[in-house]
Amino acid sequence: GDSVTQMEGPVTLSEEAFLTINCTYTATGYPSLFWYVQYPGEGLQLLLKATKADDKGSNKGFEATYRKETTSFHLEKGSVQVSDSAVYFCALSGNDMRFGAGTRLTVKP
Amino acid sequence: SAVISQKPSRDICQRGTSLTIQCQVDSQVTMMFWYRQQPGQSLTLIATANQGSEATYESGFVIDKFPISRPNLTFSTLTVSNMSPEDSSIYLCSEQGPRGYTFGSGTRLTVV
Repeated sequence: GDSVTQMEGPVTLSEEAFLTINCTYTATGYPSLFWYVQYPGEGLQLLLKATKADDKGSNKGFEATYRKETTSFHLEKGSVQVSDSAVYFCALSGNDMRFGAGTRLTVKP
Repeated sequence: SAVISQKPSRDICQRGTSLTIQCQVDSQVTMMFWYRQQPGQSLTLIATANQGSEATYESGFVIDKFPISRPNLTFSTLTVSNMSPEDSSIYLCSEQGPRGYTFGSGTRLTVV
């Protein structure tokens, strides 16, 4: 069945460092791909999404490109802030939503 | 996107009791989903609930433990039955709308 594999954390970075969180997927058909973020003590929030190959989702300085040839949807940000500290989930939607294991990011001042 | 109101936001329950979680959507939606997020883990799909039919459960989840109701296109409930400490998790509902998935704010359940 459909699944998502996400790089394991935790990831600790200094402020203004470059962030990459890897995500690859397995799916039959052509799913939409998502990144969700969960800030401490809060619910799940949609960060960005892409619905077809070569689409780039972007929001709050984060970007991810839907790469069908490598079945990937890596999350990147050029300069992280302390406020970006959260757990990030890669997900895909087919008949339902499937989530990766989550990557905890801590950004230190 | 639709807005989902989920309640309760948190509860502490005695083992052996049951808790019913409610989700109200501000628009009519065909499919609703219930997820569990165990401490430090990702989200796991419990079941899919369509109005007018029985919920479809994922492997490892059964109706006797997690009965679901879907009486209309804007509302659903999940009951966690005969609770044990292992049921301590965050439970979330979700809907699939034309613009994608929206999640409720979650119910943080602690079983003591």
